[in-house]
Amino acid sequence: QLQESGPGLMKPSETLSLTCSVSGGSISSSSFYWGWIRQPPGKGLEWVGTLFYTGSTYYNPSLKNRATIFVDTSKNQFSLRLRSVTAADTATYYCASGNTFDVWGQGTQVTVSS
Amino acid sequence: DIQMTQSPSSLSASVGDRVTITCRASPGVRNDLVWYQQKPGKAPERLIYATSTLQSGVPSRFSGSGSDTEFTLTISSLQPEDFATYYCLQHNSYWTFGQGTKVEMK
Repeated sequence: QLQESGPGLMKPSETLSLTCSVSGGSISSSSFYWGWIRQPPGKGLEWVGTLFYTGSTYYNPSLKNRATIFVDTSKNQFSLRLRSVTAADTATYYCASGNTFDVWGQGTQVTVSS
Repeated sequence: DIQMTQSPSSLSASVGDRVTITCRASPGVRNDLVWYQQKPGKAPERLIYATSTLQSGVPSRFSGSGSDTEFTLTISSLQPEDFATYYCLQHNSYWTFGQGTKVEMK
């Protein structure tokens, strides 16, 4: 199971930090891929980025190098940081596992507003 | 970058109808294509992966076909619980979602 946690409400220019807690297995062995996907209100799904078990990371170019994904194996979780947020980053953020996103968290709503 | 074009963006159908949704990839993605179903307020759920492999527990009225640049999700006989939004995803080169298809009740 995956469970996202995050700040809920943020101001423009701040750094968004989201965490995905993994339960029911070790993050080091239960999947090779760990990803983040977001969905703005009323819109479609957008891939944000993915962490491969080797430590390699892949990001959506549209984020213009603002995103960082990293893992904390001691806490069995992985995280997303998104710098310099704007209203366009308002979305429900999902974490998911696997190359085909076979397991998803329930999502966490993030609103960017001044 | 791989572009995914999903159509239609919405459709109206009745229970029992056969429904077809298409995703086109440019350039091609071999068979690295996944279909999801999303209901309001819920996370997407994987229906089909590797173009045509049904996720365990998914009813057999769902099927996927295609290859490389053109893919299809078919619901052979639409059921009340199938009214939802459907997305395709390519994972051949990074990851790209289609724009989604909302299946509404006629």
